[in-house]
Amino acid sequence: GENVEQHPSTLSVQEGDSAVIKCTYSDSASNYFPWYKQELGKRPQLIIDIRSNVGEKKDQRIAVTLNKTAKHFSLHITETQPEDSAVYFCAASGGSTLGRLYFGRGTQLTVWP
Amino acid sequence: KAGVTQTPRYLIKTRGQQVTLSCSPISGHRSVSWYQQTPGQGLQFLFEYFSETQRNKGNFPGRFSGRQFSNSRSEMNVSTLELGDSALYLCASSKVGRGNTGELFFGEGSRLTVL
Repeated sequence: GENVEQHPSTLSVQEGDSAVIKCTYSDSASNYFPWYKQELGKRPQLIIDIRSNVGEKKDQRIAVTLNKTAKHFSLHITETQPEDSAVYFCAASGGSTLGRLYFGRGTQLTVWP
Repeated sequence: KAGVTQTPRYLIKTRGQQVTLSCSPISGHRSVSWYQQTPGQGLQFLFEYFSETQRNKGNFPGRFSGRQFSNSRSEMNVSTLELGDSALYLCASSKVGRGNTGELFFGEGSRLTVL
């Protein structure tokens, strides 16, 4: 099956700086790569996703890049704010599997004011 | 539109007991999946149901089982509980077919503590 590796496990940045979280995947058939944000004590929520036919996608301060050849994708958050502090999970899925995402182990992002 | 609802939110059991967790998906969502979340391990896939059929199963022992009802509500059961089963169990629902973006909508989870 798919194996998703995520780095770093913890990340601390100053407010206003950028944050980058990287993930690699093993299954070349994977074609959908979402990122979920989980605030303390809350449910994971989708913040951005990308499909294998696109190399980059942006949504305001958040962007995701995908390199299919190298099998890695990254989350970029610019102009970080304290409310960006949370655990971020990358995930991958492919084929016709419904509802099955392979998640990375998560990155605890802390933004210091 | 109501979100994914999970019950109970918290429960404490002792080793050897069994537990049943319930999940009501978003109205119109017919796929329900379950994940186990533990510190340091992230979210690990348990199983996924669609049309009352288990379509995918993760690498968990047979003590973990589930089912889905005709109204798409789902339950998961863990028998002969072990200390290592202590975790947050998350249910997620998603659309099927037209309108399916791939997004999973998670419930707030059922936090199980095994003593």
